[in-house]
Amino acid sequence: EAGVAQSPRYKIIEKRQSVAFWCNPISGHATLYWYQQILGQGPKLLIQFQNNGVVDDSQLPKDRFSAERLKGVDSTLKIQPAKLEDSAVYLCASSLDRQGEGGYTFGSGTRLTVV
Amino acid sequence: AQSVTQPDIHITVSEGASLELRCNYSYGATPYLFWYVQSPGQGLQLLLKYFSGDTLVQGIKGFEAEFKRSQSSFNLRKPSVHWSDAAEYFCAVDDYKLSFGAGTTVTVRA
Repeated sequence: EAGVAQSPRYKIIEKRQSVAFWCNPISGHATLYWYQQILGQGPKLLIQFQNNGVVDDSQLPKDRFSAERLKGVDSTLKIQPAKLEDSAVYLCASSLDRQGEGGYTFGSGTRLTVV
Repeated sequence: AQSVTQPDIHITVSEGASLELRCNYSYGATPYLFWYVQSPGQGLQLLLKYFSGDTLVQGIKGFEAEFKRSQSSFNLRKPSVHWSDAAEYFCAVDDYKLSFGAGTTVTVRA
């Protein structure tokens, strides 16, 4: 089966600019996650969707980050305006159900550098 | 508060030697437990997972992990490491959301 697709792979932007990342999960996976992984740290959950509804966005900096999953399939994560500390790898993952007994599949990530 | 702790930031091991990576969690009940590996510039690869049953879990690449409820631990082991095992290892717990530890970097010396 196809994996979780993410684009772009790399992005370099200046601070205060905006950026968007795209994720297409595995077909049929109801739950989609966005993680932020800062260099040297473990991934941190930003937002979790169940179909097209938000389950958990408690760690999403809502003043600058937004995410949507309009049709319950692919998703977009946006940062506006970006700060230097947003430099990180942004990982998308999906699972069949909310508690990933069926397993989680991660995409390769988007590496964002803010200069 | 719920948390996942990996006490060792960096471990260096000789090729052929055994490896053990520690993971402790703090949750109200027994969550689902995972170990992932991440090579430089690569995505996260699942090594093994524990949901219930036998507390000794076998994974890919010769890894195994043991769940100890009394110690709230889920330590990862490999009897004999290969140079290709050099990577970052993450313990994760799933309590309706997947939370990761800070990771342990493994360096393998010849």
